[in-house]
Amino acid sequence: QLQLQESGPGRAKSSETLSLTCAVSGGSISTSRFYWVWIRQSPGKGLEWIGSLYYSGTTYYNPSLKNRVTISVDSSKNQFSLTVKSVTVADTAVYFCASPSDSGGYFFDDWGQGTLVTVSS
Amino acid sequence: DIQLTQSPSSLSASVGDRVTITCRTSESINGLLNWLQQKPREAPKLLIYAASSLHSGVPSRFSGSGSGTEFTLTISSLQPEDFATYFCQQTYTSPAMTFGQGTRLET
Repeated sequence: QLQLQESGPGRAKSSETLSLTCAVSGGSISTSRFYWVWIRQSPGKGLEWIGSLYYSGTTYYNPSLKNRVTISVDSSKNQFSLTVKSVTVADTAVYFCASPSDSGGYFFDDWGQGTLVTVSS
Repeated sequence: DIQLTQSPSSLSASVGDRVTITCRTSESINGLLNWLQQKPREAPKLLIYAASSLHSGVPSRFSGSGSGTEFTLTISSLQPEDFATYFCQQTYTSPAMTFGQGTRLET
């Protein structure tokens, strides 16, 4: 059973760079899944896809965030990371990592529990 | 971007009720529509995938249907643990995806 666990600083200040990590256990990040995803949820709001990462390093980003976000993989630690530059209060959210369990990459039944990031001005 | 519009945004119901939630997409998505359930302070959980397939371990009172640009989630007989927020998700554009705005189901 694959398990995902997010970690992060909990708080950030406007204009800073935010870094979050998703640790993968129960399987290899390089072979167990088609790709890996970051999704966020602002307080009381819906879900927003941030970006996706294939193990090869190929990434896809939400156009609304593309200029500020980077997703990368560290296979030696079996984890992948999200960096958000120049954060504002609008980046306050619970950040989830997730991965599709099917070979086509369509069905998401593995999620981390989420990590809350609060950005202050 | 493919837009997903859920209706209603909130819904009041009682235990035993039959409930239906609709998700409309801005273009056809070849049936690649998932339904997720989220309870407060928890991650979303997959209920239905590919429009109508019940995920392992999900009670049979949940069902999904639809094609083209209109999809529905039905709960045949509401149980106390079903009061939650429900989201639809399209993965037709995988690895990109979009979500509906959510339907809050409350008593």
